[in-house]
Amino acid sequence: DAGITQSPRYKITETGRQVTLMCHQTWSHSYMFWYRQDLGHGLRLIYYSAAADITDKGEVPDGYVVSRSKTENFPLTLESATRSQTSVYFCASRDRGDQPQHFGDGTRLSIL
Amino acid sequence: GENVEQHPSTLSVQEGDSAVIKCTYSDSASNYFPWYKQELGKRPQLIIDIRSNVGEKKDQRIAVTLNKTAKHFSLHITETQPEDSAVYFCAALGGYQKVTFGIGTKLQVIP
Repeated sequence: DAGITQSPRYKITETGRQVTLMCHQTWSHSYMFWYRQDLGHGLRLIYYSAAADITDKGEVPDGYVVSRSKTENFPLTLESATRSQTSVYFCASRDRGDQPQHFGDGTRLSIL
Repeated sequence: GENVEQHPSTLSVQEGDSAVIKCTYSDSASNYFPWYKQELGKRPQLIIDIRSNVGEKKDQRIAVTLNKTAKHFSLHITETQPEDSAVYFCAALGGYQKVTFGIGTKLQVIP
């Protein structure tokens, strides 16, 4: 779905560094989500947002920070990266109500 | 919160056979159940969904059934083809507008 884009697609960084993953959607969807995907764990919710300036924790929020100053953007920041945060990160968005989520292409993050 | 269990974790079928993936959920308030297909290295993509006021939905070779009483829903793929090989995720939309995913089923269709 071209309406949701993530950047960068690939990132390699070192432990202790700060890294920000970007997510942008053009549908004006109310809800946006960040997931991490690891082998054996499926898709785990990190943070989500119901609207601009409203965010809430998901299942695995520790070590991550989010913000949503504009409806279309939902950046995810790892303030001090750790090796356990090596993963594939997916951003998703959807409209209100029982509507499907649409995923970005993902960011493959490696922390050395 | 919502808990979604998915079985089996891996499934191998011969081309042309049917495949069934089953999920259960815990939150009786859940009212929307999407299924996603994820090919290797790609994003999860919606393949079919069902809402709580419907018991069954079909789209060509794919069908989903929902049993609200038992809190159980299933994905059925008939006449499987090699391009059906992927990881399939069930999900449930529960309270707080959060979608909870199952752990995924890796389907392999053997030519």
